[in-house]
Amino acid sequence: DSGVTQTPKHLITATGQRVTLRCSPRSGDLSVYWYQQSLDQGLQFLIQYYNGEERAKGNILERFSAQQFPDLHSELNLSSLELGDSALYFCASSVDAGQNYGYTFGSGTRLTVV
Amino acid sequence: QQQVKQSPQSLIVQKGGISIINCAYENTAFDYFPWYQQFPGKGPALLIAIRPDVSEKKEGRFTISFNKSAKQFSLHIMDSQPGDSATYFCAAGPQPGANNLFFGTGTRLTVIP
Repeated sequence: DSGVTQTPKHLITATGQRVTLRCSPRSGDLSVYWYQQSLDQGLQFLIQYYNGEERAKGNILERFSAQQFPDLHSELNLSSLELGDSALYFCASSVDAGQNYGYTFGSGTRLTVV
Repeated sequence: QQQVKQSPQSLIVQKGGISIINCAYENTAFDYFPWYQQFPGKGPALLIAIRPDVSEKKEGRFTISFNKSAKQFSLHIMDSQPGDSATYFCAAGPQPGANNLFFGTGTRLTVIP
């Protein structure tokens, strides 16, 4: 167990729907990162939050949004889902946003859009 | 633009052999180069990492070689074992002003007995 908890582990939904993925970071970690992993694209950075504030944005679609709550857990919201959104979504956490680069990943949420 | 390029996409090695995975990066501001190991159904786990002030780092059977002038780094797995069969990702970063890493596309390593 890495200490980073992601729920649900699996999600099957229809096109056009909206889903929410949840991540609880490792105890003491203030930064949360979301990555999308697909077969041909590897790990694509979506977004980073640090202590409740957005810190960096990657290739995140406008249909996707995220937030980090006061208890530091984070949610990734995916809306108007398309078949191409099917992927593994990973959350990672780290102690801070600048000096310590070590990431700890969760086990991921496998999203299947049908 | 792919910030980190990784090769090969897949690799098959005999037990006891040496596995070598290569990566190249673009941004000279990057100063942290980790390798992650991922088993099926699991998230990537940090394996070994290097900073550009050294050219090599060894931890057990795993070695990172780093060439700053060529903007390349590689992972060597000595005496490869079937239990090493996994997908390996190189990464580089961080993005200035933030802490996110850029990952390569991964190498699926299979070690055959």
